[in-house]
Amino acid sequence: AQSVSQHNHHVILSEAASLELGCNYSYGGTVNLFWYVQYPGQHLQLLLKYFSGDPLVKGIKGFEAEFIKSKFSFNLRKPSVQWSDTAEYFCAVGGDYKLSFGAGTTVTVRA
Amino acid sequence: DVKVTQSSRYLVKRTGEKVFLECVQDMDHENMFWYRQDPGLGLRLIYFSYDVKMKEKGDIPEGYSVSREKKERFSLILESASTNQTSMYLCASSPTPTTNYGYTFGSGTRLTVV
Repeated sequence: AQSVSQHNHHVILSEAASLELGCNYSYGGTVNLFWYVQYPGQHLQLLLKYFSGDPLVKGIKGFEAEFIKSKFSFNLRKPSVQWSDTAEYFCAVGGDYKLSFGAGTTVTVRA
Repeated sequence: DVKVTQSSRYLVKRTGEKVFLECVQDMDHENMFWYRQDPGLGLRLIYFSYDVKMKEKGDIPEGYSVSREKKERFSLILESASTNQTSMYLCASSPTPTTNYGYTFGSGTRLTVV
């Protein structure tokens, strides 16, 4: 079985602050890891993904994530957030032919 | 770009009604999925299908069934809607059985059962 745990339910930041969202997964085999974002009123979009190679992956809109195998973690980071980053963020692990998602973290960026 | 289209954005149904949620993808993807999204619970997999007429139970299949008669269409059926099935329902597709490519999601159907 596979599962995902996201550390924070709601994060509130000011513009230009740095963001880090925690994600830990549980799965016994080789995993594919994803971060999805859902902007208000929009559908889920892929932010970035990891399935092999460099454990530091870069995605769209200045986001990056680091896969640390020994810690079963895949944390999302952005050095300087903007108001437009206000959204819900979901970590997902892929194995057993399906994606399992975390509960999500709502990020609110104040101008 | 792959498009996943869900036929309704909002639905209101009565308890006990049979409800059909429709999803169509336009890129010949093998796999299709139905999730429900609830606050604080994230996305939970209801059913998925890796081929026409094939289906597999996800994590929360109780009270639901699915139909995949054509490759591009995957329907979710609530046999007898109940208030605890009020939720946002998301359809997704992926090109292969592996998860390397991630999923493409539709815009969702917000179902309210009264």
